[in-house]
Amino acid sequence: AQSVTQLGSHVSVSEGALVLLRCNYSSSVPPYLFWYVQYPNQGLQLLLKYTSAATLVKGINGFEAEFKKSETSFHLTKPSAHMSDAAEYFCAVSTSNTGKLIFGQGTTLQVKP
Amino acid sequence: DAGVTQSPTHLIKTRGQQVTLRCSPKSGHDTVSWYQQALGQGPQFIFQYYEEEERQRGNFPDRFSGHQFPNYSSELNVNALLLGDSALYLCASSLPSSYNEQFFGPGTRLTVL
Repeated sequence: AQSVTQLGSHVSVSEGALVLLRCNYSSSVPPYLFWYVQYPNQGLQLLLKYTSAATLVKGINGFEAEFKKSETSFHLTKPSAHMSDAAEYFCAVSTSNTGKLIFGQGTTLQVKP
Repeated sequence: DAGVTQSPTHLIKTRGQQVTLRCSPKSGHDTVSWYQQALGQGPQFIFQYYEEEERQRGNFPDRFSGHQFPNYSSELNVNALLLGDSALYLCASSLPSSYNEQFFGPGTRLTVL
């Protein structure tokens, strides 16, 4: 069975600091991996996705993630945090051909001025 | 181009009642997935509809059922509501492939009293 573990339910950074949100996955077959962001009282918006092409994936709003098969990780980073990045972030894995997403528990990112 | 729309935005029901939630997919998408997001949790896959049939189902009881119409819109029905069914219900639409982006709607907040 596939699963996703997000390390750290709450991450706090200062504005301008590096953002690092951790995600580890478990999958018996090559996975597709996704990061989504959810702002309060809204649905989920895709930040980026890994689909077995380049291992370093660039997404929207300056975010990027690196797929490391040996570490079964797909951590999300951003060089410089903005106040507008404060939100809930979800890592998700899909391994079937039908797009069923399995989500982690989420990480709340707080950005301090 | 309208994205995924869901109705209603909020809903309050009492235990034992039945509820129907509605979703219209993004233009050009023919696959609709439903997720349940409990407070403070990641979304959990309920089921997916493609060509008016349930293609995949998550670990949810038969009280949860759905339907997809010829125009690809979809309904989620929940019978015999329990307090634990209180959650944000998210609809996502996509093309029928796991590596394609799933576009999420804003969700329906269901409160069961």
